[in-house]
Amino acid sequence: QKEVEQDPGPLSVPEGAIVSLNCTYSNSAFQYFMWYRQYSRKGPELLMYTYSSGNKEDGRFTAQVDKSSKYISLFIRDSQPSDSATYLCAMSLYNQGGKLIFGQGTELSVKP
Amino acid sequence: NAGVTQTPKFQVLKTGQSMTLQCAQDMNHEYMSWYRQDPGMGLRLIHYSVGAGITDQGEVPNGYNVSRSTTEDFPLRLLSAAPSQTSVYFCASRWGDRGIMGEQFFGPGTRLTVL
Repeated sequence: QKEVEQDPGPLSVPEGAIVSLNCTYSNSAFQYFMWYRQYSRKGPELLMYTYSSGNKEDGRFTAQVDKSSKYISLFIRDSQPSDSATYLCAMSLYNQGGKLIFGQGTELSVKP
Repeated sequence: NAGVTQTPKFQVLKTGQSMTLQCAQDMNHEYMSWYRQDPGMGLRLIHYSVGAGITDQGEVPNGYNVSRSTTEDFPLRLLSAAPSQTSVYFCASRWGDRGIMGEQFFGPGTRLTVL
């Protein structure tokens, strides 16, 4: 069983839809939770960063962490065609912030 | 700042050949790492370095060597390429390994095919 599980999709939604992306994990020691966005044939870029439990909002994006359920989510409101990309969740331990454990990535397509 | 740069962008090798993937960063980051990305697997850590002269293994180190003689450069060597090493390779850097602060920046990747 992988430490971090993510539905690979692909996920296709119409423009303006609310998108929910999710990851589950097995290691309760993870403390840092990240979402990366990766456009086709590019390197991943950090989208959201959360420490421990709770919510974090940045414009149209909201990241949620539920450590009791070992479950993290990324919500995208008013999705745009420019949001079409692969979204990767990633996690790390408190004293190993550089060693990221990634989910498989979810491919999202937002149709005009 | 150029950020994290990688060369080459594409490479085709024959089984048994060796090569070095280059990675450089100009952000004075202490921490650098190499990941490989395969379909359905996400990114997996190959090797990492917490500073010049210090390297360690990640999740999938077999078949790869690294060294860190300067803060800026972190090359990845394939000793004897195998078809199982066909992948997209990403180099990344961060200010350090510990603590909550600090985004990890990724390079644009090297697409490697081993025939």
